[in-house]
Amino acid sequence: AQSVTQPDIHITVSEGASLELRCNYSYGATPYLFWYVQSPGQGLQLLLKYFSGDTLVQGIKGFEAEFKRSQSSFNLRKPSVHWSDAAEYFCAVSGNTGKLIFGQGTTLQVKP
Amino acid sequence: GAGVSQTPSNKVTEKGKYVELRCDPISGHTALYWYRQSLGQGPEFLIYFQGTGAADDSGLPNDRFFAVRPEGSVSTLKIQRTERGDSAVYLCASSLTGGKLGNTIYFGEGSWLTVV
Repeated sequence: AQSVTQPDIHITVSEGASLELRCNYSYGATPYLFWYVQSPGQGLQLLLKYFSGDTLVQGIKGFEAEFKRSQSSFNLRKPSVHWSDAAEYFCAVSGNTGKLIFGQGTTLQVKP
Repeated sequence: GAGVSQTPSNKVTEKGKYVELRCDPISGHTALYWYRQSLGQGPEFLIYFQGTGAADDSGLPNDRFFAVRPEGSVSTLKIQRTERGDSAVYLCASSLTGGKLGNTIYFGEGSWLTVV
C-alpha cells in the first residue's frame, strides 16, 4: 500500500539551529516526492519537489531535501532555522495520477 | 485572482443539513483535486477531476459525498445529510495538467466545515 510516514509529530529547535524533518514512504513504483508547509490559517505551500535526476533538491526559503531510494526516505533540511519557519510540514508522495498521499505532518516550534 | 479560491471560508451547519463547497481553480488548470483535512492529520484525497470528468473518486468516503465540475473549471463538493464526523477543512487544489507530467499542485486556503 502507498503510504508516507513522518515519525516526528512535534519538533522544537532554537532559532539559528539546523533542522532535519524525517519522511519515509512506501510506494511500488518510482515516486514523485514533495514537501509542503502549512502556516495557521494558510493554504499548503510547496517547498520543493523531486521527480528525477539529482537526488538533492533545493527549494524555497532555504530548504533542501535528499531522496534516498535505498532508505525510502526524503528528509527535509535547513541549515539555520528562522522564527518564521514555525509551521506544520507535510511530506507527500504521488504517482502518475497526480494524487498526493500525505504524511500526518510534523509541527515545528522555534525557540527564540 | 491568481490562486485557487474556495468559498465559503467557514461554514457552520446543523447535523443532517446539506452543504455545498465551491472551488475556483487557477485559470487554465485542467486538473482539480479535493482533499479533506481533519484536526491533527494530513490531507486525505477525496476526488480528482481531469477536465469535466472525475478521473478518480476512490477517496469519497460514502455516497453522501458528491462532486461536480460541469464546465471543466469551477467545482462544487456536495455533502448530504451532514454528520458531526464530516467536520474538517476541505481543501481544493489544481494543477496545469496533473498526472504523468508531475505538475505542481497548488492548494487553496480551504473551507472550514463545522457540523453541530
